[in-house]
Amino acid sequence: ETGVTQTPRHLVMGMTNKKSLKCEQHLGHNAMYWYKQSAKKPLELMFVYSLEERVENNSVPSRFSPECPNSSHLFLHLHTLQPEDSALYLCASSQEGSSYSTDTQYFGPGTRLTVL
Amino acid sequence: KQEVTQIPAALSVPEGENLVLNCSFTDSAIYNLQWFRQDPGKGLTSLLLIQSSQREQTSGRLNASLDKSSGRSTLYIAASQPGDSATYLCAVKWRGGSYIPTFGRGTSLIVHP
Repeated sequence: ETGVTQTPRHLVMGMTNKKSLKCEQHLGHNAMYWYKQSAKKPLELMFVYSLEERVENNSVPSRFSPECPNSSHLFLHLHTLQPEDSALYLCASSQEGSSYSTDTQYFGPGTRLTVL
Repeated sequence: KQEVTQIPAALSVPEGENLVLNCSFTDSAIYNLQWFRQDPGKGLTSLLLIQSSQREQTSGRLNASLDKSSGRSTLYIAASQPGDSATYLCAVKWRGGSYIPTFGRGTSLIVHP
């Protein structure tokens, strides 16, 4: 596979469930991102990992827990979510510190999450 | 505060029209500006990336311009087609700060036959 992949593509969960979202990038990039996209809102950055170290966390509730075991994989662990957490969760990767030609984020197709 | 604004929020045009999408940003000290396309329920696809030293970039029927002094970028779509229907997002990377881009809310475009 090429590019950035995300699984599952759709997820429905109850507020007491625990689930995980997975992202994998096949581009050899050194930075990975989780974004949340809600209806009629701009993209909200949740977490950034660079060289597998978390470098930014935009005050995300603790019910979201990221994990980056290596430069190619990124997880978002979910527990005791609220209905307002229903959204499209997008993963992206980029190669930071390189030349202009590769200075762009590549996005996965997203996971559509519904919390009942 | 560094912000990115896109106007209009939504646009509906007949097929064949040339159209312009606008993006404005509050701080002229940018590293680059990027235009993305997003189809409903899907991820973002990069269309054009303009470095701060550049004035425009072209790809097929798309042309993006950058005017840092006025804090504006435009995405010009020539001879629009129904397949161009999507949401178009603008993202700015700022100089001197985090390399994380700031996204606008997007312009939702519908091109009807």
